Amino acid sequence: QLQLQESGPGLVKPSETLSLICTVSGGSISSSSYYWGWIRQPPGKGLDWIASIFYSGNTDYNPSLKSRATISVDTSKNQFSLKLSSVTAADTAVYYCAGYGDNGLDYWGQGTLVTVSS
Amino acid sequence: QSVLTQPPSASGTPGQRVTISCSGSSSNIGSNYVNWYQQLPGMAPKLLIYSNNQRPSGVPDRFSGSKSGTSASLAISGLQSEDEADYYCAAWNATLTGTWVFGGGTKLTVL
Repeated sequence: QLQLQESGPGLVKPSETLSLICTVSGGSISSSSYYWGWIRQPPGKGLDWIASIFYSGNTDYNPSLKSRATISVDTSKNQFSLKLSSVTAADTAVYYCAGYGDNGLDYWGQGTLVTVSS
Repeated sequence: QSVLTQPPSASGTPGQRVTISCSGSSSNIGSNYVNWYQQLPGMAPKLLIYSNNQRPSGVPDRFSGSKSGTSASLAISGLQSEDEADYYCAAWNATLTGTWVFGGGTKLTVL
């Protein structure tokens, strides 16, 4: 069974770039059986999908974040990452990484809180 | 505002059956599978129902999902106190760029 773990700074200054890494275990990140994504949840609010990346390298982004978000994969480390540029307080949220299987099942990390503040 | 519409709250007494609705459109629920997630306080969302009505291993059969047209429902029978949580629906949105879209969440209270 897939296991995912997010890592990255818990505090980012406004206008800077938020960078997060998701480490995958229990499966290969380059497998055609999965695709990978990031979702976030502002404090006290609902879930927002951010981006996905497929084994082919194709990517999909939430149109509201597309100009600022970049998702990528590092196959040598079995990791994928998210970069979100020009952050503001509105980007403060718990960020989750997830793996989606071709059998319909998905697996989420425990989440990491990122606060945008000076 | 979320793309999928859920009631903000629902409630029931132990043993009761509760349903939570999720309304979308032809570009998401109407043409793609629906997932349901349970989020306990302070925890990550947990997949409860996938592909409209399938339960992952370990999810009690008290939980069931259904879909009709552009709407979906989650039913919880034999309500238990540990079912008190936030519930979210999600569907793939077949627009120019495919995305996952979520409902705003329903807070279930067990009275």
